[in-house]
Amino acid sequence: GDSVTQTEGLVTLTKGLPVMLNCTYQTTYSPFLFWYVQHLNEAPKLLLKSSTDNKRTEHQGFYATLHKSSSSFHLQKSSVQLSDSALYFCALSDLSGSFNKLTFGAGTRLAVCP
Amino acid sequence: GALVYQYPRRTICKSGTSMRMECQAVGFQATSVAWYRQSPQKTFELIALSTVNSAIKYEQNFTQEKFPISHPNLSFSSMTVLNAYLEDRGLYLCGAPSGNTLYFGEGSRLIVV
Repeated sequence: GDSVTQTEGLVTLTKGLPVMLNCTYQTTYSPFLFWYVQHLNEAPKLLLKSSTDNKRTEHQGFYATLHKSSSSFHLQKSSVQLSDSALYFCALSDLSGSFNKLTFGAGTRLAVCP
Repeated sequence: GALVYQYPRRTICKSGTSMRMECQAVGFQATSVAWYRQSPQKTFELIALSTVNSAIKYEQNFTQEKFPISHPNLSFSSMTVLNAYLEDRGLYLCGAPSGNTLYFGEGSRLIVV
C-alpha cells in the first residue's frame, strides 16, 4: 500500500536559519503530494500541494518540489520565523481515485527559537 | 473559498458514554467526507469515507456499530463515537475535498474520563 516517511521527531532551529523537512513516499499510482501545517490546538491546514514533476511550488515562504525520480517532496524555507513553530505533515493521495483518502506521514515538529 | 466547520470543538465524556460530532461544508458541495482520528501521538487514522447516496466505507479496525455516520446531503455529515473509552481519545477530523484538495474542519477533540 501507499506510505509516507518524514523527518522524524523534533527539529529545533534558531530564527532566521533555513530549514528542510524531508518527505519521501511510496505508491504504485500517480502521486499527488501535500504538506499540511498544524499549529497547537488547531486542525491541519494545507500549506503546499503538487502533482507536477520537477516543478517548485511555493506558499507563505515555504517551497517544495516533487521529484518522482526520487519519490520525494521535501519542504523548505530560507529563513524560519517564530510563528513557523508547528507540526508539519506530508501526505500522499493518488490521482487515480478521490482525494479523500490521504496517507499521512508521522509528522515533524518544528520548534523555532529566538 | 472552501470551508469546513466542525463542532463541538471539545467534549469531555464519561467512559462508556457517546459523543456526536458534526461537520458542515460551506462554499462547496461535499459529495464525500472523510473522517479521521488523530491520536494523542499525533498520527492520523482514516476511520471511514462517506459519499452521499452511497454506502459508507469503513477502514479496518473501525465499524459502523462503533462509529455510525450520517451523510444526508451535500453540506452536512455527522459521526458518533459510541461507548467511548480511553482508547477512543483524540482529535476527530472531518475532511471534504474541493477540487484536488482535502479541506479539514477544526476538529472535535474527545476526552474520556
